[in-house]
Amino acid sequence: SAVISQKPSRDICQRGTSLTIQCQVDSQVTMMFWYRQQPGQSLTLIATANQGSEATYESGFVIDKFPISRPNLTFSTLTVSNMSPEDSSIYLCSVTATGGRYEQYFGPGTRLTVT
Amino acid sequence: GQQVMQIPQYQHVQEGEDFTTYCNSSTTLSNIQWYKQRPGGHPVFLIQLVKSGEVKKQKRLTFQFGEAKKNSSLHITATQTTDVGTYFCAPNAGGTSYGKLTFGQGTILTVHP
Repeated sequence: SAVISQKPSRDICQRGTSLTIQCQVDSQVTMMFWYRQQPGQSLTLIATANQGSEATYESGFVIDKFPISRPNLTFSTLTVSNMSPEDSSIYLCSVTATGGRYEQYFGPGTRLTVT
Repeated sequence: GQQVMQIPQYQHVQEGEDFTTYCNSSTTLSNIQWYKQRPGGHPVFLIQLVKSGEVKKQKRLTFQFGEAKKNSSLHITATQTTDVGTYFCAPNAGGTSYGKLTFGQGTILTVHP
Protein backbone atom coordinates (compact mmCIF):
# COMPACT_ATOMS: atom_id res chain seq x y z
CA SER A 1 0.00 0.00 0.00
CA ALA A 2 1.04 3.60 -0.54
CA VAL A 3 1.66 5.89 2.40
CA ILE A 4 0.61 9.46 1.72
CA SER A 5 1.38 12.49 3.83
CA GLN A 6 -0.01 15.98 3.48
CA LYS A 7 1.12 19.31 4.82
CA PRO A 8 -0.31 21.26 6.49
CA SER A 9 -2.84 19.09 8.25
CA ARG A 10 -4.98 22.14 8.89
CA ASP A 11 -4.85 25.88 8.54
CA ILE A 12 -6.94 28.96 9.13
CA CYS A 13 -6.46 31.60 6.48
CA GLN A 14 -7.79 35.05 5.73
CA ARG A 15 -9.82 35.69 2.64
CA GLY A 16 -7.86 36.92 -0.33
CA THR A 17 -4.73 34.97 0.58
CA SER A 18 -3.40 31.73 -0.92
CA LEU A 19 -2.40 28.42 0.62
CA THR A 20 -0.22 25.72 -0.90
CA ILE A 21 -0.87 22.14 0.17
CA GLN A 22 1.79 19.51 -0.23
CA CYS A 23 1.28 15.82 -0.92
CA GLN A 24 4.12 13.32 -0.55
CA VAL A 25 3.88 9.63 -1.49
CA ASP A 26 6.32 6.96 -0.34
CA SER A 27 6.53 5.40 -3.81
CA GLN A 28 6.55 6.55 -7.40
CA VAL A 29 3.12 6.91 -8.96
CA THR A 30 2.05 8.00 -12.40
CA MET A 31 -0.99 10.03 -11.53
CA MET A 32 -1.99 11.90 -8.43
CA PHE A 33 -5.48 13.23 -7.81
CA TRP A 34 -6.74 16.16 -5.78
CA TYR A 35 -10.20 16.06 -4.18
CA ARG A 36 -12.22 18.55 -2.21
CA GLN A 37 -14.66 17.62 0.53
CA GLN A 38 -16.82 20.50 1.64
CA PRO A 39 -18.27 20.37 5.15
CA GLY A 40 -20.71 17.50 5.48
CA GLN A 41 -20.45 16.70 1.79
CA SER A 42 -19.03 14.02 -0.45
CA LEU A 43 -15.72 14.19 -2.27
CA THR A 44 -15.37 15.99 -5.58
CA LEU A 45 -12.42 15.54 -7.92
CA ILE A 46 -10.60 18.80 -8.60
CA ALA A 47 -7.87 17.70 -10.97
CA THR A 48 -5.43 15.03 -12.03
CA ALA A 49 -1.74 15.84 -11.62
CA ASN A 50 0.56 14.22 -14.15
CA GLN A 51 4.32 14.40 -13.93
CA GLY A 52 5.79 16.33 -16.82
CA SER A 53 2.55 17.79 -18.13
CA GLU A 54 -0.17 20.23 -17.20
CA ALA A 55 -2.75 19.12 -14.69
CA THR A 56 -6.17 18.14 -16.03
CA TYR A 57 -9.04 19.97 -14.33
CA GLU A 58 -12.60 18.78 -13.84
CA SER A 59 -15.59 20.84 -14.77
CA GLY A 60 -16.01 23.75 -12.39
CA PHE A 61 -12.36 23.96 -11.42
CA VAL A 62 -9.79 26.19 -13.12
CA ILE A 63 -6.03 26.48 -13.05
CA ASP A 64 -6.03 30.11 -11.95
CA LYS A 65 -7.90 29.19 -8.79
CA PHE A 66 -6.23 25.83 -8.11
CA PRO A 67 -2.76 25.77 -9.65
CA ILE A 68 -1.07 22.39 -9.33
CA SER A 69 2.55 21.37 -9.55
CA ARG A 70 3.94 17.87 -10.07
CA PRO A 71 7.72 18.13 -10.12
CA ASN A 72 8.38 14.39 -9.71
CA LEU A 73 6.67 11.03 -9.30
CA THR A 74 6.30 11.23 -5.52
CA PHE A 75 5.24 14.81 -4.88
CA SER A 76 2.55 17.30 -5.82
CA THR A 77 1.22 20.61 -4.57
CA LEU A 78 -2.20 22.20 -4.81
CA THR A 79 -2.58 25.93 -4.26
CA VAL A 80 -5.90 27.45 -3.29
CA SER A 81 -5.68 31.01 -4.56
CA ASN A 82 -7.46 34.18 -3.56
CA MET A 83 -9.43 32.29 -0.95
CA SER A 84 -12.97 32.99 0.12
CA PRO A 85 -15.01 31.36 2.90
CA GLU A 86 -16.55 29.06 0.27
CA ASP A 87 -13.13 27.43 -0.11
CA SER A 88 -13.32 26.12 3.44
CA SER A 89 -13.04 22.38 2.89
CA ILE A 90 -10.88 19.36 3.38
CA TYR A 91 -8.47 18.87 0.50
CA LEU A 92 -7.22 15.35 -0.09
CA CYS A 93 -4.70 13.90 -2.48
CA SER A 94 -5.06 10.39 -3.81
CA VAL A 95 -3.06 7.84 -5.78
CA THR A 96 -3.86 4.56 -7.46
CA ALA A 97 -2.44 1.36 -6.04
CA THR A 98 0.30 -0.27 -8.08
CA GLY A 99 1.14 -3.89 -8.82
CA GLY A 100 -2.11 -4.71 -10.56
CA ARG A 101 -4.26 -3.52 -7.71
CA TYR A 102 -7.05 -1.02 -8.31
CA GLU A 103 -7.89 0.73 -5.10
CA GLN A 104 -7.28 4.40 -4.48
CA TYR A 105 -5.29 5.51 -1.47
CA PHE A 106 -6.03 8.84 0.14
CA GLY A 107 -3.89 11.16 2.16
CA PRO A 108 -5.07 12.31 5.59
CA GLY A 109 -6.34 15.57 4.15
CA THR A 110 -5.76 19.26 4.80
CA ARG A 111 -8.55 20.98 6.67
CA LEU A 112 -8.78 24.57 5.47
CA THR A 113 -10.86 27.26 7.13
CA VAL A 114 -11.12 30.65 5.47
CA THR A 115 -12.25 33.57 7.59
CA GLY B 1 -17.80 11.08 -14.65
CA GLN B 2 -20.63 8.65 -14.11
CA GLN B 3 -23.12 9.98 -11.60
CA VAL B 4 -24.44 7.76 -8.82
CA MET B 5 -27.17 8.33 -6.28
CA GLN B 6 -26.82 6.84 -2.85
CA ILE B 7 -29.57 6.16 -0.32
CA PRO B 8 -30.27 6.59 2.46
CA GLN B 9 -28.35 9.70 3.42
CA TYR B 10 -28.47 8.79 7.10
CA GLN B 11 -29.05 5.56 8.98
CA HIS B 12 -29.26 5.13 12.72
CA VAL B 13 -29.24 1.58 14.03
CA GLN B 14 -28.94 -0.18 17.33
CA GLU B 15 -25.85 -2.28 17.73
CA GLY B 16 -26.59 -5.73 16.40
CA GLU B 17 -29.07 -4.58 13.76
CA ASP B 18 -28.36 -4.91 10.07
CA PHE B 19 -27.62 -2.02 7.72
CA THR B 20 -27.88 -1.59 3.98
CA THR B 21 -26.92 1.27 1.68
CA TYR B 22 -27.82 1.44 -1.98
CA CYS B 23 -26.06 3.00 -4.94
CA ASN B 24 -27.91 3.64 -8.18
CA SER B 25 -26.88 4.86 -11.62
CA SER B 26 -28.92 5.72 -14.69
CA THR B 27 -26.16 4.35 -16.89
CA THR B 28 -24.26 1.07 -16.99
CA LEU B 29 -21.15 1.13 -14.85
CA SER B 30 -17.91 -0.61 -15.73
CA ASN B 31 -17.15 -1.05 -12.04
CA ILE B 32 -18.12 0.23 -8.63
CA GLN B 33 -15.87 0.77 -5.65
CA TRP B 34 -16.89 1.19 -2.03
CA TYR B 35 -15.08 3.28 0.54
CA LYS B 36 -15.50 3.89 4.26
CA GLN B 37 -14.67 7.19 5.91
CA ARG B 38 -14.51 7.24 9.68
CA PRO B 39 -15.38 10.52 11.40
CA GLY B 40 -12.40 12.85 10.99
CA GLY B 41 -10.64 10.38 8.72
CA HIS B 42 -10.04 9.86 5.05
CA PRO B 43 -11.75 7.39 2.69
CA VAL B 44 -10.47 3.84 2.89
CA PHE B 45 -11.01 1.35 0.10
CA LEU B 46 -13.28 -1.60 0.87
CA ILE B 47 -13.96 -3.42 -2.39
CA GLN B 48 -14.30 -3.22 -6.14
CA LEU B 49 -17.06 -4.97 -8.09
CA VAL B 50 -16.76 -5.49 -11.81
CA LYS B 51 -18.94 -8.39 -12.96
CA SER B 52 -22.68 -8.38 -13.52
CA GLY B 53 -24.44 -9.92 -10.51
CA GLU B 54 -21.21 -10.12 -8.55
CA VAL B 55 -21.42 -10.73 -4.81
CA LYS B 56 -18.43 -10.38 -2.52
CA LYS B 57 -18.22 -10.83 1.22
CA GLN B 58 -15.82 -9.45 3.78
CA LYS B 59 -16.70 -10.87 7.18
CA ARG B 60 -19.97 -9.12 8.09
CA LEU B 61 -20.01 -6.99 4.92
CA THR B 62 -21.72 -8.17 1.74
CA PHE B 63 -21.33 -6.23 -1.50
CA GLN B 64 -23.51 -6.76 -4.56
CA PHE B 65 -23.38 -5.48 -8.13
CA GLY B 66 -26.66 -5.58 -10.02
CA GLU B 67 -27.27 -7.74 -13.07
CA ALA B 68 -27.57 -4.65 -15.25
CA LYS B 69 -24.52 -3.08 -13.58
CA LYS B 70 -26.55 0.00 -12.72
CA ASN B 71 -26.86 -0.50 -9.02
CA SER B 72 -24.91 -1.81 -6.08
CA SER B 73 -25.45 -2.36 -2.41
CA LEU B 74 -23.49 -2.79 0.78
CA HIS B 75 -25.05 -4.80 3.58
CA ILE B 76 -23.62 -5.06 7.07
CA THR B 77 -24.88 -7.85 9.29
CA ALA B 78 -25.08 -7.31 13.04
CA THR B 79 -23.56 -3.85 13.15
CA GLN B 80 -20.93 -2.94 15.70
CA THR B 81 -19.86 0.45 16.99
CA THR B 82 -16.71 0.11 14.90
CA ASP B 83 -18.90 0.26 11.78
CA VAL B 84 -19.66 3.93 12.42
CA GLY B 85 -18.72 6.18 9.51
CA THR B 86 -19.76 7.29 6.06
CA TYR B 87 -19.96 4.70 3.31
CA PHE B 88 -19.42 5.90 -0.23
CA CYS B 89 -19.87 4.16 -3.55
CA ALA B 90 -17.79 5.44 -6.44
CA PRO B 91 -17.39 4.28 -10.01
CA ASN B 92 -13.76 4.35 -11.09
CA ALA B 93 -13.32 5.79 -14.57
CA GLY B 94 -11.59 3.41 -16.91
CA GLY B 95 -8.91 3.59 -19.53
CA THR B 96 -6.54 6.52 -19.35
CA SER B 97 -8.78 8.10 -16.72
CA TYR B 98 -8.43 5.19 -14.34
CA GLY B 99 -8.21 6.53 -10.81
CA LYS B 100 -10.81 9.22 -11.21
CA LEU B 101 -13.59 8.52 -8.77
CA THR B 102 -17.09 9.98 -8.85
CA PHE B 103 -18.35 9.65 -5.31
CA GLY B 104 -21.97 9.18 -4.35
CA GLN B 105 -23.38 11.37 -1.62
CA GLY B 106 -22.57 8.78 1.00
CA THR B 107 -24.58 7.14 3.75
CA ILE B 108 -23.74 8.21 7.28
CA LEU B 109 -24.10 5.26 9.64
CA THR B 110 -24.58 5.80 13.35
CA VAL B 111 -24.58 2.76 15.63
CA HIS B 112 -26.09 3.13 19.08
CA PRO B 113 -24.62 0.78 21.70
